[in-house]
Amino acid sequence: ETGVTQSPTHLIKTRGQQVTLRCSSQSGHNTVSWYQQALGQGPQFIFQYYREEENGRGNFPPRFSGLQFPNYSSELNVNALELDDSALYLCATSQVGDNYGYTFGSGTRLTVV
Amino acid sequence: AQSVTQLDSQVPVFEEAPVELRCNYSSSVSVYLFWYVQYPNQGLQLLLKYLSGSTLVKGINGFEAEFNKSQTSFHLRKPSVHISDTAEYFCAVRRAAGNKLTFGGGTRVLVKP
Repeated sequence: ETGVTQSPTHLIKTRGQQVTLRCSSQSGHNTVSWYQQALGQGPQFIFQYYREEENGRGNFPPRFSGLQFPNYSSELNVNALELDDSALYLCATSQVGDNYGYTFGSGTRLTVV
Repeated sequence: AQSVTQLDSQVPVFEEAPVELRCNYSSSVSVYLFWYVQYPNQGLQLLLKYLSGSTLVKGINGFEAEFNKSQTSFHLRKPSVHISDTAEYFCAVRRAAGNKLTFGGGTRVLVKP
C-alpha cells in the first residue's frame, strides 16, 4: 500500500479523444508529479504541481495539462490523443523539501487505438 | 541537463548468485541518486538513495549501491538474489535543487531457479 491511488487502472481510448487520469495522495504530500512510461522505457517527467500551480514541465506539448486540488488530489488531462500516447502514466507525490524520493502510484495503463 | 545510462537492458542470473546492475549518469551540478524497482503491473518502489555522506548506501531487500563521483556511477548490487527479485530496476537522478527525476532506460533482472 503506497498511499498513492490512481484511477482508472486501465483505459482504452480512440485517437483524437480526450482523457482524464486521477491521482490521490497521502495527506501532507503537497507536491505531485506525473510521468509517462512507454513500453520498455524508463519514466519521462511530464510536469509537477505544488500548491495547485505548475512548477516544472518536461518536454511534453500543451495538450498535456494538469490540475492539483486543495485535498492533494490531482488530474492529468490529455487532449487530441495520439497513438504514441499509449503508455503507463504514473503519479508521484512528495512533500516539499523531502529529498527521499517520491512515492509512486501503481499507474494508469492508457491504450490509444 | 542530466542523463542516466543503464548499461545492461537485461541481466539473467541464477538464484542465490550475486548481481550487479550498472548505472552511469551525466550532470554538471550536484545530484541525488536513486534506485527504484518495478514489479509487473505495478508502480515504482524506492530501493535506496544517495544524498550525501558515505558512498556505500544500503537499501531494502538486501540491496546496496556505491556512489563513485569520479566515474559518475551508482551501481546496484545484491550478494544473493531470490526468485522474487525478478523485476525491472531503474536508476534515477535529481538535481539537488531540482524537482524532477531523470530515469535510465531500466534493467530487467530475470532470476532463474
